[in-house]
Amino acid sequence: QVQLVQSGAEVRKPGSSVRVSCKVSGGTLSGYVISWVRQAPGQGLEWMGGIIPALDTEKYSQKFQGRVTITADASTSTAYMELTSLTSKDTAVYYCARGGWELLHYFPYWGQGTLVTVSS
Amino acid sequence: EIVLTQSPGTLSLSPGERATLSCRASQSVSNNYLAWYQQKPGQAPRLLIYGASSRATGIPDRFSGSGSGTDFTLTISRLEPEDFAVYYCQQYDSSPVTFGQGTKVEIK
Repeated sequence: QVQLVQSGAEVRKPGSSVRVSCKVSGGTLSGYVISWVRQAPGQGLEWMGGIIPALDTEKYSQKFQGRVTITADASTSTAYMELTSLTSKDTAVYYCARGGWELLHYFPYWGQGTLVTVSS
Repeated sequence: EIVLTQSPGTLSLSPGERATLSCRASQSVSNNYLAWYQQKPGQAPRLLIYGASSRATGIPDRFSGSGSGTDFTLTISRLEPEDFAVYYCQQYDSSPVTFGQGTKVEIK
């Protein structure tokens, strides 16, 4: 059974960066897209971007282009999302989700979510 | 960017009733690349439907999806107590992947 386990909650100051990890077990990391989706408090879901580790190919939402970097380490079956230049508007739960073999896909598997709080 | 508009915002129904949720896209979603998710408080979303009408693994058959082009529907034939939640549609036809704003199904 595929499981995605994310790193713990983070608190950051405005202007700083955060990196969240997502470890995949029970299945391969490389051949499938890992995407990151965030959800601000009381709000809906927002796709940030994704990576197919086997192809070393990424795609990002224009909204986050230049601020977000998604990487993957096949040796540890772990994907990472780094977001820079944080503001209070980045306070949200960040989810990793595994899709299929295309960068744009639906998501059968989700991590448990990581709360990132940006506050001075 | 494809904008997905879900209606209604809130649906107040009783257990056993039928729920019909709508998702309208600002432009045609090719290949019916539309999915539906259920989310309960404090939990990650759960995939219900993909390809507009295919049920995900383990999803009860009281959940069904239909539609094409710009108009899609999620139907819950008979609401069970565990079905009261927020439902989101998602398109994965073009970048960026987008989600609707959600429909909350609450107990009447």
